Amino acid sequence: AQTVTQSQPEMSVQEAETVTLSCTYDTSENNYYLFWYKQPPSRQMILVIRQEAYKQQNATENRFSVNFQKAAKSFSLKISDSQLGDTAMYFCAFMKPGGGADGLTFGKGTHLIIQP
Amino acid sequence: EPEVTQTPSHQVTQMGQEVILRCVPISNHLYFYWYRQILGQKVEFLVSFYNNEISEKSEIFDDQFSVERPDGSNFTLKIRSTKLEDSAMYFCASSHRGVLVGEQYFGPGTRLTVT
Repeated sequence: AQTVTQSQPEMSVQEAETVTLSCTYDTSENNYYLFWYKQPPSRQMILVIRQEAYKQQNATENRFSVNFQKAAKSFSLKISDSQLGDTAMYFCAFMKPGGGADGLTFGKGTHLIIQP
Repeated sequence: EPEVTQTPSHQVTQMGQEVILRCVPISNHLYFYWYRQILGQKVEFLVSFYNNEISEKSEIFDDQFSVERPDGSNFTLKIRSTKLEDSAMYFCASSHRGVLVGEQYFGPGTRLTVT
């Protein structure tokens, strides 16, 4: 079974700073998908970024980028120029390459607080 | 932009009662999922559904739970004989096949409170 570990229960940074959230995972699969989801106080789960394990290039989406280290089984999220609206729980998630039938395995989350 | 919708947003029920949580996935998606999140804990996978049958289910998804796609748009989760520990946020999600496989879009959730 896959496990996802987020070792930072809470982080706090000043607005406009850069912050990195860490995530490690354990799997015997060679190909898989990794995701970061954001959950604001409304509790809606919002997809932030995805990474396919077979791609060496790190994914980026505007201010959000990942550092994917496959050998180390590490998948960190970097948020540049942080904004107050980035305040939320952030969950790292893993999915096996089952053609879409597989569920996501989530970490316990990191509560990110952006201070004005 | 198309989105997953869920009703009701909040459901209060008494222990032992049956509840049905409803979801309308994004219209061209083919895979549907239910997750639950007990307050303060991580999101947990319950079940996935494809081609009118369950594709995968977790150990949480026991005989108390069932899913159905009664028509071309709705996807439901039924919880029979609810227990206090079923109180949680329940999220529905849906995804494509093809190049975007795995990218699951979540609904806003239904908060279930069992009293």
